[in-house]
Amino acid sequence: NAGVTQTPKFQVLKTGQSMTLQCAQDMNHNSMYWYRQDPGMGLRLIYYSASEGTTDKGEVPNGYNVSRLNKREFSLRLESAAPSQTSVYFCASSEASREYFGPGTRLTVL
Amino acid sequence: GEDVEQSLFLSVREGDSSVINCTYTDSSSTYLYWYKQEPGAGLQLLTYIFSNMDMKQDQRLTVLLNKKDKHLSLRIADTQTGDSAIYFCAERPGNTGKLIFGQGTTLQVKP
Repeated sequence: NAGVTQTPKFQVLKTGQSMTLQCAQDMNHNSMYWYRQDPGMGLRLIYYSASEGTTDKGEVPNGYNVSRLNKREFSLRLESAAPSQTSVYFCASSEASREYFGPGTRLTVL
Repeated sequence: GEDVEQSLFLSVREGDSSVINCTYTDSSSTYLYWYKQEPGAGLQLLTYIFSNMDMKQDQRLTVLLNKKDKHLSLRIADTQTGDSAIYFCAERPGNTGKLIFGQGTTLQVKP
């Protein structure tokens, strides 16, 4: 099992560009999450999906959209990137109250 | 509301015990977690405790939960340089699938 995988690992964007962060899990979990991590602020939930076909806003959803393409995949889209979205992005999936995290995507917006 | 607080930094000498503290606000939390993050890596679940327990021990790790004061602590016995990392406390409020994280405590272990 690969667990939770994320692509890309690193990305640099210019302000206004768009991109999609990909996440996939092979553990057959229903729930998937997107977090961002900023220094001194811990992880903050952007969006989550409790099951295939459903998505809900987390604490900091503005500027992002998500798609739960199927049970395995949950993508995060930045339509018009801003410097404030420079962060490390983590995808996670969970079952039975245990969360499994991907390795993260380090995004810089210039 | 939902809020988790941790001190930001702890420095200990190798071989000493480390105690990392956390307070949370949501009394409906059913599970409380400790995660470890090494530099440049994702989060690794260290241990968790169910809210009806006071203590959980797992090798060098001891978790203490004071539900009345909403206080959680992680004790690492015989701390090693490999324990240097950021440690996150997290709660899962009842009836939600969401994890609420603290800001993280950076543990520095000096040889």
